[in-house]
Amino acid sequence: DGGITQSPKYLFRKEGQNVTLSCEQNLNHDAMYWYRQDPGQGLRLIYYSQIVNDFQKGDIAEGYSVSREKKESFPLTVTSAQKNPTAFYLCASTTGQAGNTEAFFGQGTRLTVV
Amino acid sequence: DAKTTQPTSMDCAEGRAANLPCNHSTISGNEYVYWYRQIHSQGPQYIIHGLKNNETNEMASLIITEDRKSSTLILPHATLRDTAVYYCIVNRGGYQKVTFGTGTKLQVIP
Repeated sequence: DGGITQSPKYLFRKEGQNVTLSCEQNLNHDAMYWYRQDPGQGLRLIYYSQIVNDFQKGDIAEGYSVSREKKESFPLTVTSAQKNPTAFYLCASTTGQAGNTEAFFGQGTRLTVV
Repeated sequence: DAKTTQPTSMDCAEGRAANLPCNHSTISGNEYVYWYRQIHSQGPQYIIHGLKNNETNEMASLIITEDRKSSTLILPHATLRDTAVYYCIVNRGGYQKVTFGTGTKLQVIP
């Protein structure tokens, strides 16, 4: 089955540690996105990538980093510079085609920093 | 991206039609209207999208006004499983970034 996979589902880290969240898709989509969601809030865009080896900052990129070395993979690193990293993180992908940008989402990773 | 405005929350009786409005008065001619929903602690799910004409699929109907400044998502017979947050977004596609607002929290009441 085609889809987008995030792992792990739950992640616990100590304060001050960097942590990397995985996102893999087998949909052959060009564009990939990372969002952050806090309790009771909407989705906020962290980073997005339109093509391999290229990515752009979203609305809340500070304290995060990404890479896009392969079309299928778009890992997100939450660095120690992120002041409030505890949140629900969602990865998504789209074809990138005009008029057909239905976004497919993973099931999310819930990060808790203690 | 054009901005969207949605009510924060709505209730609907089970079995009745749920009509969720969305205002997008600054939408440009090449932007589509998309609807997604998010059930608690899951990733959002695509529902439907349209440009000018009304659209219907197995999940819902989308009614877009003639001036395209607003739209309504219709769930014809709401069930308890339709309780979720519904997001309306506008996007022209291609490689434009996809941004979400805070959505409408729909509560279906038995």
